[in-house]
Amino acid sequence: KAGVTQTPRYLIKTRGQQVTLSCSPISGHRSVSWYQQTPGQGLQFLFEYFSETQRNKGNFPGRFSGRQFSNSRSEMNVSTLELGDSALYLCASSVRNTKGGNEQFFGPGTRLTVL
Amino acid sequence: AQKVTQAQTEISVVEKEDVTLDCVYETRDTTYYLFWYKQPPSGELVFLIRRNSFDEQNEISGRYSWNFQKSTSSFNFTITASQVVDSAVYFCALSEGPGAGNNRKLIWGLGTSLAVNP
Repeated sequence: KAGVTQTPRYLIKTRGQQVTLSCSPISGHRSVSWYQQTPGQGLQFLFEYFSETQRNKGNFPGRFSGRQFSNSRSEMNVSTLELGDSALYLCASSVRNTKGGNEQFFGPGTRLTVL
Repeated sequence: AQKVTQAQTEISVVEKEDVTLDCVYETRDTTYYLFWYKQPPSGELVFLIRRNSFDEQNEISGRYSWNFQKSTSSFNFTITASQVVDSAVYFCALSEGPGAGNNRKLIWGLGTSLAVNP
């Protein structure tokens, strides 16, 4: 079974631009979560989508948005990029396991550099 | 407010040494879950363990073991007889509230970078 895939793996943008990152979950997984990872702040939850609906949201400005499609693939968009948006963006898909909880599987991430 | 603290930023050991990674958490909820993840140099986070707040039984999985103590709000992770392949950044994380076991919205520690030298 293929794992979580994220595209692109690396991206360089300049301030003020916008960017769209893509995540394809493991087949059959309907929940997709996004995290931002920076050296200073560590891993921070951005948002979670389930069946095309945003179910949870972290404390990020409105410049960060996302969506999920009917095939569970998800995209996140960052508008008006700032230098501080440079980070590794991780996507995770999850499915309920036999013990009643969810197992979360992470993709390799997209490394975004804002110049 | 919930918080996860991993006081050890970096640890360096020699192969075959035992090493313990500390994790201290803060939460007001009585129902919560704790997790450990491993992030090797490739960047992909790998799930290691999930433990709920009602289960304080320690767990052992091969060379890995976890010590959960509610009295000290700690969930420490020990690697026995460490190997070079254990070199990675290890994260402790917390989720709480309704659906806490569904680890979709995690609060993370800053991670401990473990270097195991041959």
